[in-house]
Formats: sequence, C-alpha cells, structure tokens
Amino acid sequence: NAGVTQTPKFQVLKTGQSMTLQCAQDMNHNSMYWYRQDPGMGLRLIYYSASEGTTDKGEVPNGYNVSRLNKREFSLRLESAAPSQTSVYFCASSQSGTTYEQYFGPGTRLTVT
Amino acid sequence: QKEVEQNSGPLSVPEGAIASLNCTYSDRGSQSFFWYRQYSGKSPELIMFIYSNGDKEDGRFTAQLNKASQYVSLLIRDSQPSDSATYLCAVNSETSYDKVIFGPGTSLSVIP
Repeated sequence: NAGVTQTPKFQVLKTGQSMTLQCAQDMNHNSMYWYRQDPGMGLRLIYYSASEGTTDKGEVPNGYNVSRLNKREFSLRLESAAPSQTSVYFCASSQSGTTYEQYFGPGTRLTVT
Repeated sequence: QKEVEQNSGPLSVPEGAIASLNCTYSDRGSQSFFWYRQYSGKSPELIMFIYSNGDKEDGRFTAQLNKASQYVSLLIRDSQPSDSATYLCAVNSETSYDKVIFGPGTSLSVIP
C-alpha cells in the first residue's frame, strides 16, 4: 500500500517549457487535490477533483491545468512555465462523505529559471 | 475570502513543557478541523482532527475546538525534540466539505 505517489521528485524547467506532474493514490479515495507551498504562504489549493470526471478551481489556478484520468490518477500540467511557479507541489487525496482528512504525497520540488 | 490564521512563530519551548498552538478561522459553517505536522523538507502528516466542541485527546496531543469563538488549538504535552516541526491548521469549507483551507503554519522548536 503505497498511499499517494508523485513523480517526479525534482524538476528544473526553463521559462516557457511545459511539463506534467503525475499523482496516483491506491486508497480508493474519491477526492484528489493539488497544492503549492511557498515559504511563509502555507499550502494553497490549485485544483481539486471531488470525483472521477470532475475538477474545480482552487485558490491559485492560473497557469495550470489538471486531468482526473481515473479514480487513482490526477495530473497537473504547466503549459508555459514561469519563474513565479517555482514552488513545492503536493498532491493529496481524501475519502469524501465522512472525515475528509487528507493524505499527502512526498511532493515535487520545481524550479523555473 | 475564507481565512485560517495562525501565529507564524517560531514558538520555542523547553523539552518536557506544554506547547500550545492556536488557530482562528473565518468560515462559521466549517465542520471539520485538522492539525497537520510537517517536518522540514517533508510532506504534511495528519496528527489530529476534531468535529465537536470541546477537547479531543490522542496520546500527548489534545485538540480543543470552540466554534462560537471560531478557535481551534493544539496542545502538545511533554514536548520532545522530535516534535520540532511546522504545525498546519486546516478547516473545511462550508460550501464544499471536501475542500480544505490551510493556515500558514506555526513553527515549533523544542529545546533539549
């Protein structure tokens, strides 16, 4: 039981490049989330998906797109990376309908130069 | 904009003391309240959740909730150096219960 996995762990991009961050969970959770964490800013929600086939914007969606490929997988795409997107990205999942506590992946540290 | 506020710290306590971490929130309809611990360079880890007014105890940790005052706290008894971390308060959204808003976190340092 791996919980929530993310790939890659580290990535360096040049401004304007694109990339996709991958996330998968094996806990049969309905809800999945993408956050970014910057120093002193806490966790800010980028997008979330309450169930397979649905996605909703969070607090900071600009510059990102997501895909809920199936119940297990939720990917985050940066179409044209900007230095302001340098951050640590966390994926999380939760089982909706009861307690809603979230379980986090190990994170992706992204640097855009 | 719904908000969750915490003292950023750093909060320093001696080993064996009680550490008290505080959090206020603005959404009166929030139903679920969480405390996460995050070690430097690691991902957040859930340590406590609470839904009802009052206290909830789990080992050395006690979460306290006061919905009328929109206040939730975390007490850590017999603090250990291994408790040194950032503690994130999180509150679910009234309009979307599976959407959680995180506070900025409080950095705790337990001095041996």
